[in-house]
Amino acid sequence: GAVVSQHPSRVICKSGTSVKIECRSLDFQATTMFWYRQFPKQSLMLMATSNEGSKATYEQGVEKDKFLINHASLTLSTLTVTSAHPEDSSFYICSARGDREENTEAFFGQGTRLTVV
Amino acid sequence: GQQLNQSPQSMFIQEGEDVSMNCTSSSIFNTWLWYKQDPGEGPVLLIALYKAGELTSNGRLTAQFGITRKDSFLNISASIPSDVGIYFCAGQETSGSRLTFGEGTQLTVNP
Repeated sequence: GAVVSQHPSRVICKSGTSVKIECRSLDFQATTMFWYRQFPKQSLMLMATSNEGSKATYEQGVEKDKFLINHASLTLSTLTVTSAHPEDSSFYICSARGDREENTEAFFGQGTRLTVV
Repeated sequence: GQQLNQSPQSMFIQEGEDVSMNCTSSSIFNTWLWYKQDPGEGPVLLIALYKAGELTSNGRLTAQFGITRKDSFLNISASIPSDVGIYFCAGQETSGSRLTFGEGTQLTVNP
């Protein structure tokens, strides 16, 4: 199956700093990437959808200036949490989807556990 | 927005037992997907269903796409300890649209 790699898997940062999370599709071209946030014992909440070369579409209630998404190439999207605060601590997961039929299901990265102290 | 109701929320079973979980939607989906998530990991796709009435197996797992296109179930037969995890259903309106996730079913298998 398609492989999506997310990095880092864990990060601890100080309040007020910014953190960048990378999501790469390793064996296919990802025309669309999705960023999710997941709190403990809850389902995945979609934060934003990004298409290569265009601005991300954010879900209602997600601050685009706080969660900067860049999808500069067909294999890489980044999520930057700016001026992080403890309430931003969560599990962030990306998924990537190509335009071939077998890639219509989004394949997920391993997730990034962000802890803001 | 669309909502998926997934049940049960959690299950505690003995090794060797069969398990069934399901999802229902208030609206129609053209694709149903079932994922498993282990602690600290991203979801992994188990089964994808594309046609109403479709019944698909993947080893001990079997999933069906409901005829009304508003529901799906996942069965796990002869459960083993490594089946422990959270199972999510997800629906997709069209092949390019976003996924809508269920709330998840936490499965615990006692040896």
